[in-house]
Amino acid sequence: GQSLEQPSEVTAVEGAIVQINCTYQTSGFYGLSWYQQHDGGAPTFLSYNALDGLEETGRFSSFLSRSDSYGYLLLQELQMKDSASYFCASNAGNMLTFGGGTRLMVKP
Amino acid sequence: DAGITQSPRHKVTETGTPVTLRCHQTENHRYMYWYRQDPGHGLRLIHYSYGVKDTDKGEVSDGYSVSRSKTEDFLLTLESATSSQTSVYFCAIFSRDRDGYTFGSGTRLTVV
Repeated sequence: GQSLEQPSEVTAVEGAIVQINCTYQTSGFYGLSWYQQHDGGAPTFLSYNALDGLEETGRFSSFLSRSDSYGYLLLQELQMKDSASYFCASNAGNMLTFGGGTRLMVKP
Repeated sequence: DAGITQSPRHKVTETGTPVTLRCHQTENHRYMYWYRQDPGHGLRLIHYSYGVKDTDKGEVSDGYSVSRSKTEDFLLTLESATSSQTSVYFCAIFSRDRDGYTFGSGTRLTVV
């Protein structure tokens, strides 16, 4: 089976840095993805880690450690528009299994 | 973008009636997926397709069927809708160029 655990809620202030952790137990693991979803919207792709280490895309970075079955999404220079839900997802070939999501609230 | 559209965007239906949701894509992607999203459960896979007439079950397939007679269309059918199927349904396609999904805008289904 597949299961991914992430915190249900995180709060941070504008301009700060926040880290959203994800631990997983999956079979046939190819990599870890992250998606952002604003209220009422569709999930949108943020990043994908197939290999251990850090991937950086602008203000967002994602990390994977296969040996620890662990990854995180790092958001820097937080902006109000970053308030959204963030999902980690394990990639098993062409199929994704999603965690329950972390609701990030950015305060002024 | 990937040119993926879902219809209808909103639907209210009565318990026991059949309902079909449509997902249409314009870029010839092989893999298409149907997910449902409920509070506290994230996104859960219902069915997916890996080609015309090739489909398989996901995590929560009971009460749902799918069909893919053309590459561009993937249909999700609730044969006899129940209140437990009230949810937001998302269709997605898999983009090989970034190893990620692109989601449609979703269908909000309410079964009364």
